[in-house]
Amino acid sequence: AQKVTQAQTEISVVEKEDVTLDCVYETRDTTYYLFWYKQPPSGELVFLIRRNSFDEQNEISGRYSWNFQKSTSSFNFTITASQVVDSAVYFCALSEPFTSGANSKLTFGKGITLSVRP
Amino acid sequence: ETGVTQTPRHLVMGMTNKKSLKCEQHLGHNAMYWYKQSAKKPLELMFVYSLEERVENNSVPSRFSPECPNSSHLFLHLHTLQPEDSALYLCASSQEGLITDTQYFGPGTRLTVL
Repeated sequence: AQKVTQAQTEISVVEKEDVTLDCVYETRDTTYYLFWYKQPPSGELVFLIRRNSFDEQNEISGRYSWNFQKSTSSFNFTITASQVVDSAVYFCALSEPFTSGANSKLTFGKGITLSVRP
Repeated sequence: ETGVTQTPRHLVMGMTNKKSLKCEQHLGHNAMYWYKQSAKKPLELMFVYSLEERVENNSVPSRFSPECPNSSHLFLHLHTLQPEDSALYLCASSQEGLITDTQYFGPGTRLTVL
């Protein structure tokens, strides 16, 4: 069965610190997609990044960067120089096909609550 | 309106009430989803619709009844709920519901069952 593990449950940092959020996944599929979402207190899940299983290049977007390592089944997320507005719950998710048909579903980790203190 | 909208944002209901949650997407997508987010639990997929046909019902109790009248609208009809059904209900949409798609979420409806 597919599984996403976010072992860290809560992280608290002081503004301007760097922080890494860990994500480990399990799948038997060779084709899959990994995602990170941010959920601020308002509740809406905000899409941050999508990465397919064939692209192991790291990605950087402003203060955000992602490290995808297939060998360790990990897709970690680093926030550089954290800010108070980064405080949210962050979810890692794995897209996998249903057993029948072409449709797919997302399997989410339990999320990591990040608190950035001024 | 842009993205995915959900109404109401907050709902309090008794166990004997009947209510409906509404979701509308303005992204031109063909697949829509209902998720349940309970405290301390991962998001749970409830239902998936693709081109207005239900393609997944993830062992959800019959007191939850989805309806997808067209590709832009999705409803979740609620009746005789239990207190443990209190949760944040999130709607999402994606282009075709395929593995390559990104799902975009609405702000959710915070449901409290008394």
